[in-house]
Amino acid sequence: AQSVTQLDSQVPVFEEAPVELRCNYSSSVSVYLFWYVQYPNQGLQLLLKYLSGSTLVESINGFEAEFNKSQTSFHLRKPSVHISDTAEYFCAVSRGGSNYKLTFGKGTLLTVNP
Amino acid sequence: DVKVTQSSRYLVKRTGEKVFLECVQDMDHENMFWYRQDPGLGLRLIYFSYDVKMKEKGDIPEGYSVSREKKERFSLILESASTNQTSMYLCASRQTVALYGYTFGSGTRLTVV
Repeated sequence: AQSVTQLDSQVPVFEEAPVELRCNYSSSVSVYLFWYVQYPNQGLQLLLKYLSGSTLVESINGFEAEFNKSQTSFHLRKPSVHISDTAEYFCAVSRGGSNYKLTFGKGTLLTVNP
Repeated sequence: DVKVTQSSRYLVKRTGEKVFLECVQDMDHENMFWYRQDPGLGLRLIYFSYDVKMKEKGDIPEGYSVSREKKERFSLILESASTNQTSMYLCASRQTVALYGYTFGSGTRLTVV
């Protein structure tokens, strides 16, 4: 079985400040890791994913996440946030292969204040 | 773009009613999922389906059933709605291989009164 822990339920920051949203997972096998974003009153959108290879993955809107196998972590970072980044962020893990479902963390609400 | 369409954005139903939530995807995905989302609890898996006519219970199936008669449609059924089923319901789909991640619908906010 696998599990995901998002260490902060809420993260308030000021605009243009850096931010880190923390995610730890547990699994006895190799996994794929995902970050999803949910803007108010919308469904979840895939932000970025780690499958294999380079441990640093980037999204098109400036977020990045680093896979750390020894720490079993997949923290999400952005060097300078915008008001429009205000959203809830979910970390998720899945076994590789076919027909395995995602296990989600409980989410981190990022609030960017002016 | 893959589209996952949930038939209703907001729904208000009475206690005891039988409720149908519909989800349709247009990219021939084999896997489909129903989650409910509640504040502080994150996403909890209700049911999922690997393929047509196949279904498996998730973490909280009690009070729910599902139907998948066609590949593109996955219906969630509340047999007798109760107030504790007031929630946001999210449908998702995916190709068989896990590396693709899910595509989510916009959600249905169900209120049971």
